[in-house]
Amino acid sequence: EAAVTQSPRNKVTVTGGNVTLSCRQTNSHNYMYWYRQDTGHGLRLIHYSYGAGNLQIGDVPDGYKATRTTQEDFFLLLELASPSQTSLYFCASSDWGLYEQYFGPGTRLTVL
Amino acid sequence: GQQVQQSPTSLVLQEGENAELQCNFSTSLNSMQWFYQRPGGSLVSVFYNPSGTKQSGRLTSTTVIKERRSSLHISSSQITDSGTYLCAMEQGVTGNTRKLIFGLGTTLQVQP
Repeated sequence: EAAVTQSPRNKVTVTGGNVTLSCRQTNSHNYMYWYRQDTGHGLRLIHYSYGAGNLQIGDVPDGYKATRTTQEDFFLLLELASPSQTSLYFCASSDWGLYEQYFGPGTRLTVL
Repeated sequence: GQQVQQSPTSLVLQEGENAELQCNFSTSLNSMQWFYQRPGGSLVSVFYNPSGTKQSGRLTSTTVIKERRSSLHISSSQITDSGTYLCAMEQGVTGNTRKLIFGLGTTLQVQP
């Protein structure tokens, strides 16, 4: 089974602060995804990538940047964090052929 | 409107009762996936089910692509089945664009 890890697991920052969330998958999947989960909105896709150096815009990209540095590593960057970005963030990965997504444990981000 | 509709929104059962969760899609889909989530926890893939019926222990998923619907049946429910069940669809493959669209989930509570 695919292994997806995220760090940090919890993060508290202030408005205007910079935050980087990290994700690593160890099964050489092509696709990696960043989601946020909020009550009433469910899971929403922020950004995704189908390989190192590639970035695709998701459905709620405003205020977020992302970078895929290697096949294994995908980062989510919040350069000027706002309270509206307080959320539970998930990373996921999947392969091209068998398109089943595997999720990391999540990062709870609080912006004060 | 919501492309993935789940019903019911919530469900309370006595231990041992059966549950039927529904997922309906407003557009054609390529594949779909069921996930289980504990409060504040990560998403665990329950079924990846492009079409047809799959069974795993007490869980059975049936997806009819042409009718744009999927169901998850839980037999002889247990307290440990409590949590949220999410379904997600992949609309189709366009170039390298591949992503899931999630429903808002069904929250299941199994009481002793």
